[in-house]
Amino acid sequence: DAGITQSPRHKVTETGTPVTLRCHQTENHRYMYWYRQDPGHGLRLIHYSYGVKDTDKGEVSDGYSVSRSKTEDFLLTLESATSSQTSVYFCAISELWTSGDQAKNIQYFGAGTRLSVL
Amino acid sequence: ELKVEQNPLFLSMQEGKNYTIYCNYSTTSDRLYWYRQDPGKSLESLFVLLSNGAVKQEGRLMASLDTKARLSTLHITAAVHDLSATYFCAVHGEETSGSRLTFGEGTQLTVNP
Repeated sequence: DAGITQSPRHKVTETGTPVTLRCHQTENHRYMYWYRQDPGHGLRLIHYSYGVKDTDKGEVSDGYSVSRSKTEDFLLTLESATSSQTSVYFCAISELWTSGDQAKNIQYFGAGTRLSVL
Repeated sequence: ELKVEQNPLFLSMQEGKNYTIYCNYSTTSDRLYWYRQDPGKSLESLFVLLSNGAVKQEGRLMASLDTKARLSTLHITAAVHDLSATYFCAVHGEETSGSRLTFGEGTQLTVNP
């Protein structure tokens, strides 16, 4: 599982409340990602991080913010949750993979957080 | 903007049969991934394809990449029930920073006895 832990695993909240999801990794990976998964859309990137305090937006970043104050933790915050943010959220890390003279990154995923906004 | 399309989106097949899932993408790419997801579970990496003509095989699954056609295929040979899952392709565009991936919608495969 590449040492990735997501918390909480399940959460039910009400519209307008703030929500923070945590992704914790134990193997000092530089790159971390937050995706959401919805039927008919596959996985869509929300935000990603390429180091402590270094983050950038993905394709569906509106309504979300992130923070990475230390290498091992990447937090996703919904400042004011809406029903459209009901989804399954996955954290991923990027790990270097080598084969012969080829070196590329593979993303490994956490177990996911199922969020319902009522 | 990189677009990734998979087809079919739903595939129901009998055990023992062969079938192919297709993944088309819209811009040049330097690597393509296939992932598997079981219901309610996370994504598991299956294959990484790095160059034109690359072919990778694991058990009854074989993935290939044609960068000129911007097409990858995942071929299933003599399907068994345990292969029932959703399969995603994911593409890293050459101009993309941060090792970001763009995913297809996924192909939900059901193998019937």
